[in-house]
Amino acid sequence: ETGVTQTPRHLVMGMTNKKSLKCEQHLGHNAMYWYKQSAKKPLELMFVYSLEERVENNSVPSRFSPECPNSSHLFLHLHTLQPEDSALYLCASSQDIGAHNEQFFGPGTRLTVL
Amino acid sequence: SQKIEQNSEALNIQEGKTATLTCNYTNYSPAYLQWYRQDPGRGPVFLLLIRENEKEKRKERLKVTFDTTLKQSLFHITASQPADSATYLCALGAYSGAGSYQLTFGKGTKLSVIP
Repeated sequence: ETGVTQTPRHLVMGMTNKKSLKCEQHLGHNAMYWYKQSAKKPLELMFVYSLEERVENNSVPSRFSPECPNSSHLFLHLHTLQPEDSALYLCASSQDIGAHNEQFFGPGTRLTVL
Repeated sequence: SQKIEQNSEALNIQEGKTATLTCNYTNYSPAYLQWYRQDPGRGPVFLLLIRENEKEKRKERLKVTFDTTLKQSLFHITASQPADSATYLCALGAYSGAGSYQLTFGKGTKLSVIP
């Protein structure tokens, strides 16, 4: 596998469920990101990790819980979500958290909350 | 408040013509600007980076300009082809103040190149 992979590609969950999104990067990068992309809205940065340490948490509700066990893997744990959380969740990686780095995105997980 | 605007939600252009997409921003001091391409059902793909001290960058049929006085970037695709049809995202990079540089994205412009 090359690049950034995400699983599952599609997820439907009820408001009381607990699920996890998984991201893996095969690029040897040190930084990983979670973004949310809703219809008609720009990508919103949720979390930033650098060498497995969380660097940024952009006012994300606690029902979203990230985990970075190593620099290649990133998870987003979901619990008691709301219908308005339905969106495309994108994972990305970059060489590091410095300036100018291009970000490499995965294909995303399309999440539907019923 | 900080704002990034991409000129139009959708742009239709005839094959062979030059497509010009605009990204304007307010209340922002980016250190750099990037353009990404996003196809339906896929994540964005990086195209070009331009730094705040650069005026213009080129890559094959793509050209980006960056005017920090006007607070505007223009993205040009020359000799456009139907395969160029996609959504193009402008992203401004700046120091977050908390240890990292972050990208803030515009909503994107959906480009359709008509054969």
